[in-house]
Amino acid sequence: SQKIEQNSEALNIQEGKTATLTCNYTNYSPAYLQWYRQDPGRGPVFLLLIRENEKEKRKERLKVTFDTTLKQSLFHITASQPADSATYLCALDSGAAGNKLTFGGGTRVLVKP
Amino acid sequence: EPEVTQTPSHQVTQMGQEVILRCVPISNHLYFYWYRQILGQKVEFLVSFYNNEISEKSEIFDDQFSVERPDGSNFTLKIRSTKLEDSAMYFCASRPYRDRSQGYFGPGTRLTVT
Repeated sequence: SQKIEQNSEALNIQEGKTATLTCNYTNYSPAYLQWYRQDPGRGPVFLLLIRENEKEKRKERLKVTFDTTLKQSLFHITASQPADSATYLCALDSGAAGNKLTFGGGTRVLVKP
Repeated sequence: EPEVTQTPSHQVTQMGQEVILRCVPISNHLYFYWYRQILGQKVEFLVSFYNNEISEKSEIFDDQFSVERPDGSNFTLKIRSTKLEDSAMYFCASRPYRDRSQGYFGPGTRLTVT
């Protein structure tokens, strides 16, 4: 069965450092991989999308890589700030018309000043 | 900036009762979704809806669930006979036709079944 794994342990990081989160998947061939931010009690907020034929995508202080051979995506937050503290979710999109997203369990990031 | 809205923000109901969760997707979007998140667990897909019919549904979305877009603006999720295990946050989402991102999630409805 399809499996998406994110590090369930919280990532504690000092302000200004780079946070790196991992998303691994098995038994899946996503056409797209997306990263979302979720704050407690709120809905997911879209951050970045990367296609299967793309290696890297950047948006401001965020960078995503996608390795379809390793079945892994890395999500980087550079120059982290306390406001970046949240849970980050990766989600796989098969590319089918229904565009169903399959989410990982998320990694909580806590940026300390 | 346009937003997906959901009502109510919190719904408490007794087991066996029917509930309707309401969503107003962003106006020019064509795909609509319901997801749920049980406390402490993953966000799970329930159903996708396009062109007034269900595109895909998960195993969770059994005969107790139904969706409707009754008037061109609202998108509803009905649970006919709620169970304790239906307690969760329910998120509505919408997207335009060409945009693969699904960044348009609503704030959620917290459903508590007692």
